[in-house]
Amino acid sequence: AQRVTQPEKLLSVFKGAPVELKCNYSYSGSPELFWYVQYSRQRLQLLLRHISRESIKGFTADLNKGETSFHLKKPFAQEEDSAMYYCALFSGGYNKLIFGAGTRLAVHP
Amino acid sequence: DVKVTQSSRYLVKRTGEKVFLECVQDMDHENMFWYRQDPGLGLRLIYFSYDVKMKEKGDIPEGYSVSREKKERFSLILESASTNQTSMYLCASSFLRGTEAFFGQGTRLTVV
Repeated sequence: AQRVTQPEKLLSVFKGAPVELKCNYSYSGSPELFWYVQYSRQRLQLLLRHISRESIKGFTADLNKGETSFHLKKPFAQEEDSAMYYCALFSGGYNKLIFGAGTRLAVHP
Repeated sequence: DVKVTQSSRYLVKRTGEKVFLECVQDMDHENMFWYRQDPGLGLRLIYFSYDVKMKEKGDIPEGYSVSREKKERFSLILESASTNQTSMYLCASSFLRGTEAFFGQGTRLTVV
């Protein structure tokens, strides 16, 4: 069965500290993985996807098929990064888009 | 600019009522999804659809049904609302393959 696991409910860091939000997935096929972000009082929106291998707002994520992980990283956190972050998996065989439980990132001044 | 619009921002309904949540997208997307969002549980997929009149159960379909009579509209129906269906409901749409999903603003449903 497809599953996305985000083990941390809350990650609290100080401004300028490195950040790593963990995501592990379970999927037998070739996964398409995403990170979505929800800022306070805003819609859920795409942050980045693994196939584009880009850096958005200083965030990067690398797909590690051996460890079935897709962790989100940023070297220096900013206060405006405070938000809810969701890892998501699109299982093409089933046309399903499923999400993890989310991690709240709190960046303190 | 892609728009996914949910018909209500807030709804209060009584136990046992039939409830309709409407979602409309304007980007000709094939896929549409309904999720509920609960603290600590994230987004859980209720139903999804990849074409008109097609529907597939997600992970928590019990107590819900859906309708997709037109490509742009995907309705979520609570046949007989119960208090444990009090939640934030999110609609999303995307193209057929795993491209970016666009979300509505959400409907906060309270069942009393």
